[in-house]
Amino acid sequence: AQSVAQPEDQVNVAEGNPLTVKCTYSVSGNPYLFWYVQYPNRGLQFLLKYITGDNLVKGSYGFEAEFNKSQTSFHLKKPSALVSDSALYFCAVRDGGNNRLAFGKGNQVVVIP
Amino acid sequence: DGGITQSPKYLFRKEGQNVTLSCEQNLNHDAMYWYRQDPGQGLRLIYYSQIVNDFQKGDIAEGYSVSREKKESFPLTVTSAQKNPTAFYLCASSSEGWKGNGYTFGSGTRLTVV
Repeated sequence: AQSVAQPEDQVNVAEGNPLTVKCTYSVSGNPYLFWYVQYPNRGLQFLLKYITGDNLVKGSYGFEAEFNKSQTSFHLKKPSALVSDSALYFCAVRDGGNNRLAFGKGNQVVVIP
Repeated sequence: DGGITQSPKYLFRKEGQNVTLSCEQNLNHDAMYWYRQDPGQGLRLIYYSQIVNDFQKGDIAEGYSVSREKKESFPLTVTSAQKNPTAFYLCASSSEGWKGNGYTFGSGTRLTVV
């Protein structure tokens, strides 16, 4: 079955510094990869996705992610973090077997002023 | 605007009581999902439905029930058999193809046992 791993529970970064949230995946076939963000007491919001094409995907709020097939990774990045980026971030991969998304456990991002 | 509406936002349940969480979507999506979220445990799938009048158990279905009588609606009942129902519940939907945003989520219902 397809799966994703988000190895860090929490990522702390100073405001203005680059932000990276790591995600690795395991999938048979072509991966469909997604990043979502969740603010407290809210649902998940779509940030970006990779299905095919350029390995560097640009998304909402200045985020981007780089698809690396050889390393089976899809890390989320932002060049300059804002305090308002503090939230829970989820990586997800489409499970072709059941056509559902498999989610990682989430990464809490804390941006320190 | 199209989207998913979950209600109520906050819900309080007494011991031994059944409660029903509402989820309605106007996105014309075929599939709908219910997730439970507890601190530090990510999202756990309770039930999902890929078509009207059909649904399947997810990873933690015990103590929960669902129905899918209409494409737009996928209510979740938390029964008295669910011994630890306090959690944040999220409903989501998706279309058959994967050209959109994957899943669209509602804003959640926070259930608390009192």
